[in-house]
Amino acid sequence: DTGVSQDPRHKITKRGQNVTFRCDPISEHNRLYWYRQTLGQGPEFLTYFQNEAQLEKSRLLSDRFSAERPKGSFSTLEIQRTEQGDSAMYLCASSLALGLETQYFGPGTRLLVL
Amino acid sequence: QKEVEQDPGPLSVPEGAIVSLNCTYSNSAFQYFMWYRQYSRKGPELLMYTYSSGNKEDGRFTAQVDKSSKYISLFIRDSQPSDSATYLCAMWKGTYKYIFGTGTRLKVLA
Repeated sequence: DTGVSQDPRHKITKRGQNVTFRCDPISEHNRLYWYRQTLGQGPEFLTYFQNEAQLEKSRLLSDRFSAERPKGSFSTLEIQRTEQGDSAMYLCASSLALGLETQYFGPGTRLLVL
Repeated sequence: QKEVEQDPGPLSVPEGAIVSLNCTYSNSAFQYFMWYRQYSRKGPELLMYTYSSGNKEDGRFTAQVDKSSKYISLFIRDSQPSDSATYLCAMWKGTYKYIFGTGTRLKVLA
C-alpha cells in the first residue's frame, strides 16, 4: 500500500498522560500536514512540514503539542499532559509541493482521553 | 462568519436519487475546490477537485463551481447505498492549508 499510513489507529489514555502518534506519508511527497477533526466538524489545520522544516503552526496547537519530521520522512505528533478536550481524530495528510497541492489523507488516529 | 459553510445534514435519499451537496464561501482568494468523501471512522478520500467556474464530471459525480456566487456543488447521480458517507468540501487559496466545511452526512436508503 503506497498511501499515507498512521499508527496507532486508536488510542485510549488517561488524562495527564503523554501520547505520540506516527504518520508515514506517500514516499515522494515533500509536504506533510497534521489536522484535527472532532465529531461533526471538518478537519482543522494544526501544522505542516516541508521536508524536515516545520513551517506553520496553528493557534490550535498549544504548548503541550509538538510535532517533528526528522529527515523529512515520517512525522510524529506528541501531546503531553493530555486533557479530555484533546479527544479527537488526528489526521495526517501529504502532498507534493507542485502546483495544486492535492492532499492525500491517512486513516487517522482516534484519541480518547478519559 | 466561517470562511466555508456547509449544511451538516443529515440528508436521506432513496437509492437511485440525484443528490446535491453544496458549500458556500466568503473568501474570493480561494482558487481550488475539492470534495472529499469520509466513511465513518476513516480518513477523508479525495473525490474531485476543480479550479475554474463551470462543471467537471467523473463517472456519477459532477462538481460545479460558481465563483461569482461563491458557491460550489457536488452532484451524485444514481446514488447507491455505498455512497452513504460524510462529504466534505475543502478550499485552497494557494497557501499550505485547506479550509474544510463541516461536512454533510448522506444516507442512501436501499
